[in-house]
Amino acid sequence: DIQMTQSPSSVSASVGDRVTITCRASQGISSWLAWYQQKPGKAPKLLIYAASSLQSGVPSRFSGSGSGTDFTLTISSLQPEDFATYYCQQANSFPQTFGQGTKVEIK
Amino acid sequence: EVQLVQSGAEVKKPGESLKISCKGFGYSFSSFWIGWVRQMPGKGLEWMGIIYPADSDTRYSPSFQGQVTISADKSISTAYLQWSSLKASDTAMYYCASSTIFGVATLGIFFDYWGQGTLVTVSS
Repeated sequence: DIQMTQSPSSVSASVGDRVTITCRASQGISSWLAWYQQKPGKAPKLLIYAASSLQSGVPSRFSGSGSGTDFTLTISSLQPEDFATYYCQQANSFPQTFGQGTKVEIK
Repeated sequence: EVQLVQSGAEVKKPGESLKISCKGFGYSFSSFWIGWVRQMPGKGLEWMGIIYPADSDTRYSPSFQGQVTISADKSISTAYLQWSSLKASDTAMYYCASSTIFGVATLGIFFDYWGQGTLVTVSS
């Protein structure tokens, strides 16, 4: 299985901050990576797919980059509604796998 | 509007069987992969497996192979996740999710639509 490792596990930030989350795959996955946002008690929501494609309806302050083994999710200016847990997922091969999650908390 | 509607919460005893469902609305259910994701209390997301309803091609994570069965009835646009003998460690929220971005391709199965989740509690 391909292991997905996110860092950091949690980050404290203020409204307006730029936040960067990284995800590393244990082997190359080309650009077959997604980012999801999950708020407490809710289903995950797709933010970014194919490493850098913004899902319809997602604010442009979210962006993704990377290919191969190293990927980044950036929130350019953190908004109150962005405090949540973020997961990466590789979609290169079965079984697909998620990272362990990064919790973005209010500073 | 695309929707996935899951069956309601379940409380079961260890050793009992269970089948939960996920019904799709507003899209061509047969033409897109649909998967199941486990989230244990306070933990992260775990990819369990996926099915292509048109031909029932099913793939499992090794962690869940033999522990659960994924199936689908394309005639009623419904996917299922079932257990033959539940354990306390199966207590979790289970989400179904569909991937409509890249169609039948096995690369790039990104979950763009999610069900509301089914909470399964297994306790004696």
